[in-house]
Amino acid sequence: DIQMTQSRSSLSASVGDRVTITCRASQSISNYLNWYQQKPGQAPKLLIYAASSLQSGVPSRFSGSGSGTDFTLTISSLQPEDFATYYCQQSYGTLTFGPGTKVDIK
Amino acid sequence: EVQLVESGGGLVQPGGSLRLSCAASGFSFSNYWMSWVRQAPGKGLEWVANIKQDGSEKYYVDSVKGRFTISRDNAKKSLYLQMNSLRAEDTAVYYCAREERAAEGMPFDYWGQGTLVTVSS
Repeated sequence: DIQMTQSRSSLSASVGDRVTITCRASQSISNYLNWYQQKPGQAPKLLIYAASSLQSGVPSRFSGSGSGTDFTLTISSLQPEDFATYYCQQSYGTLTFGPGTKVDIK
Repeated sequence: EVQLVESGGGLVQPGGSLRLSCAASGFSFSNYWMSWVRQAPGKGLEWVANIKQDGSEKYYVDSVKGRFTISRDNAKKSLYLQMNSLRAEDTAVYYCAREERAAEGMPFDYWGQGTLVTVSS
């Protein structure tokens, strides 16, 4: 199975900060990489699909990049509602998620 | 509006069984692959199983193979997960999710609110 890792399990940031979250696959997955946001007590929400495509209705401050094994989710200017946990997920092989990166208030 | 509503969770003893349901509305259910994804308390997300539009293909994570069965009833716009021989490590919130295979990346684009399964004596 393809293993997904996220370099940081948590990070602290302030409103207005530029935040970058990274995700790595154990083998090349082309662009079969999606990003989700999850807030406590809520279901995950799709943010980015196919590594860099913004899901309809998601603010443009969210962007994704990468291909192959290394991927990045960027929040250009962190807003109060963006404090949450972010998961990457690959759909190239048996579906797997990364362990998550929690973004909390500095 | 797309809606996915899970039900059937609860407390069950180790070795017991439970059947989860997911009622879909607001889209053409029979046109989509569907999945179950779970999240143990305080842990990350784990894909559990998925099923093709007509039910002809089903796939499972290794840890549930032989114990869980995914199924669907397109006439009732419903997805199911039969869980047998339950273990403590199956304790989790179980989400029903739609797979958008027409999109690159084939993401889970809609999720239900989840149903909690607790396996404990």
